[in-house]
Amino acid sequence: DVKVTQSSRYLVKRTGEKVFLECVQDMDHENMFWYRQDPGLGLRLIYFSYDVKMKEKGDIPEGYSVSREKKERFSLILESASTNQTSMYLCASSLSTRSYEQYFGPGTRLTVT
Amino acid sequence: AQSVTQLDSQVPVFEEAPVELRCNYSSSVSVYLFWYVQYPNQGLQLLLKYLSGSTLVKGINGFEAEFNKSQTSFHLRKPSVHISDTAEYFCAVSEGFTGRRALTFGSGTRLQVQP
Repeated sequence: DVKVTQSSRYLVKRTGEKVFLECVQDMDHENMFWYRQDPGLGLRLIYFSYDVKMKEKGDIPEGYSVSREKKERFSLILESASTNQTSMYLCASSLSTRSYEQYFGPGTRLTVT
Repeated sequence: AQSVTQLDSQVPVFEEAPVELRCNYSSSVSVYLFWYVQYPNQGLQLLLKYLSGSTLVKGINGFEAEFNKSQTSFHLRKPSVHISDTAEYFCAVSEGFTGRRALTFGSGTRLQVQP
């Protein structure tokens, strides 16, 4: 079974702090994704990566950056957290370009106060 | 650009009744379609997918969906629901192998199964 793990289930940070959300997958998947989930809005893509050190902006990249130094790990960075970034963050991975099935982690609920 | 519309934000239904969760999409190219389920405090799990072939797709837990190209729909159905089906359901679309690799999700439908 594919396993996608996220470093924290719950996180509370203060406005202006730098926040790191970590995601690790154990199945040698090429593609990794970060989404945020908000009530009534579904999941919105922040960034994705299709290879080590490669990244592409999604639909809502403002205020976020990402890092992929190793194939199995994809980090989401909030350079200066703001209250409107309070949300559920979901990481996902998929095998390759021709594989569209994404496997999701359990999510990190981030609260910025 | 592609988009997904889930018309119902909440669907209450009694146990053992049939249910249909509606999904419509828009895209200028051919698409791949997915339904995911999210149980409370968990990540998303794939229910079923349509990539090509038969337009009636069967998934896990007794769910099925039918791809209707002319109506740009991919509605999810189950003939008899169980309490354990209570969850949020997301429809998603990908623009085939020529498009971007990420999914575009609908806003979700919360299925509430009552005894």
